[in-house]
Amino acid sequence: DIQLTQSPSSLSASVGDRVTITCQASQDIDNYLNWYQQKPGKAPKLLISDASNLETGVPSRFSGSGSGTDFTFTISSLQPEDNGTYYCQQYDKVPMTFGQGTRLEI
Amino acid sequence: QVTLRESGPALVKPTQTLTLTCTFSGFSLSTSGMCVSWVRQPPGKALEWLARIDWDDYKYYSTSLKTRLTISKDTSKNQVVLTMTNMDPVDTGTYYCARTTGPLDYWGQGILVTVSS
Repeated sequence: DIQLTQSPSSLSASVGDRVTITCQASQDIDNYLNWYQQKPGKAPKLLISDASNLETGVPSRFSGSGSGTDFTFTISSLQPEDNGTYYCQQYDKVPMTFGQGTRLEI
Repeated sequence: QVTLRESGPALVKPTQTLTLTCTFSGFSLSTSGMCVSWVRQPPGKALEWLARIDWDDYKYYSTSLKTRLTISKDTSKNQVVLTMTNMDPVDTGTYYCARTTGPLDYWGQGILVTVSS
């Protein structure tokens, strides 16, 4: 199975900060990497697909980059509503796998 | 408008078999490229992908759970069913179904399943 390692596992930041989360795959997954946001008690929400494709309706402060094994998720200017846990997920190979998550505290 | 909803028991006993149903609308599982996945999340822990069924009836399972899982679909009813055998307290968590087109782009609200005697 492909392992995804997210870093950091948690972070605390302030409104207006730039925040970066990394996701490293155990093997080359091309750009088959997605990012999700999950708020407490809610289902995950797809933010970015295929490493850098911003989903419709998702604010432009969210972005993603990378390919191969190393990926980055960035929030350019943190807003209060961005609190939650963020997950990367690969779909290059089945079984699909998720990273362990990054808990973001505003 | 794509919607998915999970249904099934909230409480199961250890060793029992769990059967969950995902009822969806807004897309068809007979359409090429359409798939439905199941994902679970123990309380306070990370997401775990469990299984996927594709429009052409190909099925894929978690490596660690594949001996316990069965996924099936009823295209006419717009439903996907997941069964998990030999339930254990460590299987307690919220179970989600999600439309899968590559990414998991639409999710159900989830159903909390508790395994306890």
